[in-house]
Amino acid sequence: GAGVSQSPSNKVTEKGKDVELRCDPISGHTALYWYRQSLGQGLEFLIYFQGNSAPDKSGLPSDRFSAERTGGSVSTLTIQRTQQEDSAVYLCASSSKSVRASNEKLFFGSGTQLSVL
Amino acid sequence: KNEVEQSPQNLTAQEGEFITINCSYSVGISALHWLQQHPGGGIVSLFMLSSGKKKHGRLIATINIQEKHSSLHITASHPRDSAVYICAVSYYGGSQGNLIFGKGTKLSVKP
Repeated sequence: GAGVSQSPSNKVTEKGKDVELRCDPISGHTALYWYRQSLGQGLEFLIYFQGNSAPDKSGLPSDRFSAERTGGSVSTLTIQRTQQEDSAVYLCASSSKSVRASNEKLFFGSGTQLSVL
Repeated sequence: KNEVEQSPQNLTAQEGEFITINCSYSVGISALHWLQQHPGGGIVSLFMLSSGKKKHGRLIATINIQEKHSSLHITASHPRDSAVYICAVSYYGGSQGNLIFGKGTKLSVKP
């Protein structure tokens, strides 16, 4: 696709329910990242994928959070037993190779606004 | 103490003014990013740099590794530059996507 696509754009759920958030990166981008942005915490790293593997999951806040990536493309972030403190904008980004490579930028999706009631 | 500090937190400027936003960090880094977030929420990566200076149009980003400091400059500012500007670093020993973000600088450019 032309850009990083995330769905849904908005999700309202009840406390205790599970949610799945989807990210479709730019075609050919091997690196994929999940971040979240909340009012109190600003932007935080969650997890990084290189291909289908996740070399860094250190930002996942609890074991209720998990993510997978299949076919080196689409990624799903799953939050189980949602809590009110999970309310945030969940952002996905992708890059074509190492973000440390010269001139290698991140391309962000528009995010999923998650509200847990 | 946040490892990435930005200043100022808020900035109001008149159209045409030269603007500087500062970012200081306390960790050894491999790269620094400047991001722009518009009121609608979308984030755009402006620059990724590990040394020296980069320029794109009216935007200039500089970094001083020894002083652990970076600046984003906007020349001839315009109301469409109004946005939140966020500095983020990837630190030595961290993975490439594990960024530490500053809290952002909210810029408002008045016509």
